[in-house]
Amino acid sequence: TQTVSQSDAHVTVFEGDSVELRCNYSYGGSIYLSWYIQHHGRGLQFLLKYYSGNPVVQGVNGFKAEFSKSDSSFHLRKASVHWSDSAVYFCAVSLVNTGNYKYVFGAGTRLKVIA
Amino acid sequence: GALVYQYPRRTICKSGTSMRMECQAVGFQATSVAWYRQSPQKTFELIALSTVNSAIKYEQNFTQEKFPISHPNLSFSSMTVLNAYLEDRGLYLCGARLGANTGQLYFGEGSKLTVL
Repeated sequence: TQTVSQSDAHVTVFEGDSVELRCNYSYGGSIYLSWYIQHHGRGLQFLLKYYSGNPVVQGVNGFKAEFSKSDSSFHLRKASVHWSDSAVYFCAVSLVNTGNYKYVFGAGTRLKVIA
Repeated sequence: GALVYQYPRRTICKSGTSMRMECQAVGFQATSVAWYRQSPQKTFELIALSTVNSAIKYEQNFTQEKFPISHPNLSFSSMTVLNAYLEDRGLYLCGARLGANTGQLYFGEGSKLTVL
C-alpha cells in the first residue's frame, strides 16, 4: 500500500522562528515528490518538487525541502516564517509512470504563525 | 508562468441537480488533467485522470455516469457532477500537467460545491 504521512496535523510557531513540516512516504520505484500550500478557501499553490539530483530543493518564499531515500522522507523547512505563511501544507507523491501521474496527498499540516 | 483557471469558484445547488465546472490552462498546453475532490475533512480524492489521446481513467468510487468529463483540447477540460447530493459537496480541483516528462501538476483555485 502506498501512503503519504504527515505526522503533525497542527504546528504553531512565532513569526521569525524556523519550522519543519514532516512528510514520510512508503513507495517503491521512482517517485515524484511535491509540496503544496493551501490558504483558507483557496486552491493548491505549488511550492517545490523533487525527482532526482540534489536532494535539497529550493522553493518559493524561502521554503526548501530535503529528500532522504533512507528515511523515506521529504521534509519541508523554512528558516524564518512570516505570519502570511499561515496555511495548510500538503505533501504529495506520485509514481513516475508514463501516462499515469497519479498524486497521493498527505492529510496536510496546518501551520499557524503567531505575529 | 503557468496558470490554471477554474470556473465557477463556488456554486450552491439543490439536491438532485447538476453542476458543470470548467478548467482552463493558460500559457501552457496540458497533456494531462486530473480532477480531484477535497472533502470538508480536507482529504483529497482523485476522481479521474484525463490524458490527451487516451481514454479517461476514473478512480474507484467515481464513474463517468456520475462525473462526465470532456477534454476537447490541450487547454480546456470540463467536468459535471450529475444529480448532486450531500456527499458530493467539497472543493473540486483541476490539476493540469505540463509536458509528458514532468510530474508537476498546476492546480486551479477550485470550484466549491455546496448542496442543499
